[in-house]
Amino acid sequence: QLVLTQSPSASASLGASVKLTCTLSSGHSSYAIAWHQQQPEKGPRYLMKLYSDGSHSKGDGIPDRFSGSSSGAERYLTISSLQSEDEADYYCQTWGIDIGVFGGGTKLTVL
Amino acid sequence: EVQLVQSGAEVRKPGESLKISCKGSGYTFTNYWIGWVRQMPGKGLEWMGIIYPGDSDTRYSPSFQGQVTISADKSISTAYLQWSTLKASDTAIYYCARHDASNSSPFVYWGQGTLVTVSS
Repeated sequence: QLVLTQSPSASASLGASVKLTCTLSSGHSSYAIAWHQQQPEKGPRYLMKLYSDGSHSKGDGIPDRFSGSSSGAERYLTISSLQSEDEADYYCQTWGIDIGVFGGGTKLTVL
Repeated sequence: EVQLVQSGAEVRKPGESLKISCKGSGYTFTNYWIGWVRQMPGKGLEWMGIIYPGDSDTRYSPSFQGQVTISADKSISTAYLQWSTLKASDTAIYYCARHDASNSSPFVYWGQGTLVTVSS
């Protein structure tokens, strides 16, 4: 079964960097994923598509501070030079044959 | 510019029916899969299903199969999500979203969301 696992919460200080993790279920380590950001009281926004080799393609207007990387079944979103507006929920998404899946989301707090 | 504009907030009673909409513009509506995503109060995103407006090919999550109907009217570039019998547990924000290319790709464009409240 295709499942994505995310830690419920993360925190980091203003100006620092943070790395969020999304883990693919067993047997699906080659899958690409996408990262989406949802700021408080707003709809989701697409950040990037991230492949198993770590290459990624970002959405329009996404700052260079956002980057992605991969290792095995894990997919990462790194945000550098954290700003207050980065405080948000971050969701990973993947897709299989005729199905899509979201991770449970990580709530990022900027201290 | 690609835009997905959803219909406004709705309030219904349990047992009533409802159809909400998502109008696409700025691209060829028939060429891209559109999906629906549920977000219950204080919860995460849930993938409900997708439709290819070109031929109305539709796929559902097992969790939502039989509970909702996804459709599209390509003549007016609009996708729909409908319920025949609403329950209080259907209270949520519903987002439409467009795939990047094929259905094996992420959602890259999102609508603004439609709040559905089901309460007696």
